[in-house]
Amino acid sequence: RKEVEQDPGPFNVPEGATVAFNCTYSNSASQSFFWYRQDCRKEPKLLMSVYSSGNEDGRFTAQLNRASQYISLLIRDSKLSDSATYLCVVKAPGGTGGSYIPTFGRGTSLIVHP
Amino acid sequence: DGGITQSPKYLFRKEGQNVTLSCEQNLNHDAMYWYRQDPGQGLRLIYYSQIVNDFQKGDIAEGYSVSREKKESFPLTVTSAQKNPTAFYLCASSGRGVGELFFGEGSRLTVL
Repeated sequence: RKEVEQDPGPFNVPEGATVAFNCTYSNSASQSFFWYRQDCRKEPKLLMSVYSSGNEDGRFTAQLNRASQYISLLIRDSKLSDSATYLCVVKAPGGTGGSYIPTFGRGTSLIVHP
Repeated sequence: DGGITQSPKYLFRKEGQNVTLSCEQNLNHDAMYWYRQDPGQGLRLIYYSQIVNDFQKGDIAEGYSVSREKKESFPLTVTSAQKNPTAFYLCASSGRGVGELFFGEGSRLTVL
């Protein structure tokens, strides 16, 4: 079983729609969680960190459910410019001296059309 | 400005040649990572280093080598043993704790 799983999509939605992505992780010791956005042929960029109490940044809301080991990303009022791949990243203890190792999901593709 | 610099951005290589990709960061991060991304695929971890003079294999280390002689630098060598090296290579860094990763702009390697 892959450590971090995402539905690859693509999710094809009209402008103005609300869309939600889920990401499940298998390591219960995971400590930090992130959503990254990656545009075609570019590097991933941090969209938002995910906090235990949930957090919101404009049209984007992230939530964490530790009991069920999943995180979610909700995008409201989708824009054409939201079209991208969204990567889920989970950090868990590993390596030497109290370090944390990041694990990426394969990403979920979002296409917003007019 | 602080950040991560990868070079070259584009690289062409003949079969049988080794090539080294550079990654430099001035974020004072302890941890550095190399990922490979193929078209339509996710990021796969090649090597990572959490401290100077130490590094660990990731999921797909065969045919690659790294060094970490300085905190700021983590070069990746793609050797002739790597059977399918054409890919997009991404370098990232972070603190050793739970913080986020920062990425360079990537290096696109094509083997002719």
